[in-house]
Amino acid sequence: GNSVTQMEGPVTLSEEAFLTINCTYTATGYPSLFWYVQYPGEGLQLLLKATKADDKGSNKGFEATYRKETTSFHLEKGSVQVSDSAVYFCAFITQGGSEKLVFGKGTKLTVNP
Amino acid sequence: DAGVTQSPTHLIKTRGQHVTLRCSPISGHKSVSWYQQVLGQGPQFIFQYYEKEERGRGNFPDRFSARQFPNYSSELNVNALLLGDSALYLCASSLDYYEQYFGPGTRLTVT
Repeated sequence: GNSVTQMEGPVTLSEEAFLTINCTYTATGYPSLFWYVQYPGEGLQLLLKATKADDKGSNKGFEATYRKETTSFHLEKGSVQVSDSAVYFCAFITQGGSEKLVFGKGTKLTVNP
Repeated sequence: DAGVTQSPTHLIKTRGQHVTLRCSPISGHKSVSWYQQVLGQGPQFIFQYYEKEERGRGNFPDRFSARQFPNYSSELNVNALLLGDSALYLCASSLDYYEQYFGPGTRLTVT
């Protein structure tokens, strides 16, 4: 069935460290891929997206590349800041019928000064 | 432009009661989806509505129902509340099928 597997957290980094959060997916059809971020006490914000193979989504210094051959969409940032502390969710959506998002369990990131 | 709004922000209910949650989509968005997020988990799809018609339903019991109004706002209703219904309920609106924008959520606590 459809599912998303994310790297388990929590992840704790020092400011300016390099971040990678791994994400792989199992989907029927050809999905569009997303990263959402959830700050404490808030709803989800769309961070970046990619809709076809080899597309690179980017926003606020975060990047992720749609790898169809490995069914992966890993999130990266070259230099994290304290303000990046949040929970990150990888998700996908497939067309046809209800266009529901399928989410991973989330990865909590804490960045220390 | 205003984002997705949800009301109430928080509420506390007792087992067996009924609850109604409300959502107003971004102006111009005709699709609304509802998700349940249990603490420590990713959101789970409950319903999707487009142009007042139900387009999809997740794996939730019949105690959960929803509707969409002519102005595209939506309500989620949950009957006979159980302790396990305690969660953050998220509403998302979209213009096209795939880019969904979420509201801040309603935190429901069932005691």
